[in-house]
Amino acid sequence: DAGITQSPRHKVTETGTPVTLRCHQTENHRYMYWYRQDPGHGLRLIHYSYGVKDTDKGEVSDGYSVSRSKTEDFLLTLESATSSQTSVYFCAARGTGASYEQYFGPGTRLTVT
Amino acid sequence: AQSVTQLGSHVSVSEGALVLLRCNYSSSVPPYLFWYVQYPNQGLQLLLKYTTGATLVKGINGFEAEFKKSETSFHLTKPSAHMSDAAEYFCAVSEPDSWGKFQFGAGTQVVVTP
Repeated sequence: DAGITQSPRHKVTETGTPVTLRCHQTENHRYMYWYRQDPGHGLRLIHYSYGVKDTDKGEVSDGYSVSRSKTEDFLLTLESATSSQTSVYFCAARGTGASYEQYFGPGTRLTVT
Repeated sequence: AQSVTQLGSHVSVSEGALVLLRCNYSSSVPPYLFWYVQYPNQGLQLLLKYTTGATLVKGINGFEAEFKKSETSFHLTKPSAHMSDAAEYFCAVSEPDSWGKFQFGAGTQVVVTP
């Protein structure tokens, strides 16, 4: 599992409430990513980080923000959750070597009611 | 912009038969290519990858894939399906110098029948 954990693993929340998902890695990977997985869409990139405090938007970033104050932690925040953000969220990480692959966490299933 | 197409959202194969999952991509530069597998309620696990060198790459669990630049394809095969191969498979593409960002295909669900 390349030392990537996500918390919580499951969450049910109401529309309009803020939600923060946490990704923690123990391998000192430089790059980290947040994806959402929805049927028929595969995984789509929300935000990514290329270093501490260095983040940028992915293809589906509207309604999401991220922060990375330490190498090991990458937080995803839904400022005001909507039902369209019901999804499974995956965190991934990648080092700076020539391997190029990403290592994935176990996912967080978020339901917005 | 890059894109990834996986032909067939669901594939049913008999145990012992060939598994063939198709992946085509579009990219402005030669990309890095990956296949991942996802078992129910789990994260994604790398099956194999192509970055440079030999275009036929072997991965875990008896899978292999061939990069064909002229066809912009990276199809995944396994000669003989096993019941444990039932899972969802994702093809992913990453362009060099793109901060390692992936573009995923929509996925192919594989069902293995006895």
